Amino acid sequence: SQTIHQWPATLVQPVGSPLSLECTVEGTSNPNLYWYRQAAGRGLQLLFYSVGIGQISSEVPQNLSASRPQDRQFILSSKKLLLSDSGFYLCAWNQGGNEQFFGPGTRLTVL
Amino acid sequence: DAKTTQPPSMDCAEGRAANLPCNHSTISGNEYVYWYRQIHSQGPQYIIHGLKNNETNEMASLIITEDRKSSTLILPHATLRDTAVYYCIVRSGNQGGKLIFGQGTELSVKP
Repeated sequence: SQTIHQWPATLVQPVGSPLSLECTVEGTSNPNLYWYRQAAGRGLQLLFYSVGIGQISSEVPQNLSASRPQDRQFILSSKKLLLSDSGFYLCAWNQGGNEQFFGPGTRLTVL
Repeated sequence: DAKTTQPPSMDCAEGRAANLPCNHSTISGNEYVYWYRQIHSQGPQYIIHGLKNNETNEMASLIITEDRKSSTLILPHATLRDTAVYYCIVRSGNQGGKLIFGQGTELSVKP
């Protein structure tokens, strides 16, 4: 069966520090991968999606970047965090089907 | 993507049916209606989707009007564990699986 992992589960970082969040998927190959962010009390916003290794599409201009170094690994990064980067970050995958599967999320607090 | 409109919140008594409405008056012919829910501090969970016929699975039923401008998600016997934010999303099948989330409906199931 397929599973999706995200780490860390929670993170507290100072403004201006770098960020690296990791997402890995098991039990499938060549998935579509997605990064979403959910600010407090708001809906999910799609940040990036990838249909293959090295292929990244950005949905909104922002302080973040994404990379897909391996087929089932998706990384969200920042060189310098802003206060507005705080939120709940969710990784998701699907594979040409209709259902999108979400990971457990990383709660980021920037102080 | 067609825009959806949902009531911000609803209450439902435990054991009764929960009927969650969604308006999508600008939906186009190749767009599907998807429902996801998000329990607090977790990633969203797929519930059901449909094109124009009514659909039922082990979680819920989806009723789509004949003109496809609105739909209703029905949880036939709501339990306390169904308390969550429910998102109605429309998307076409050729968009790589991207989901555009609105604000959803916060359903509170009360004993």
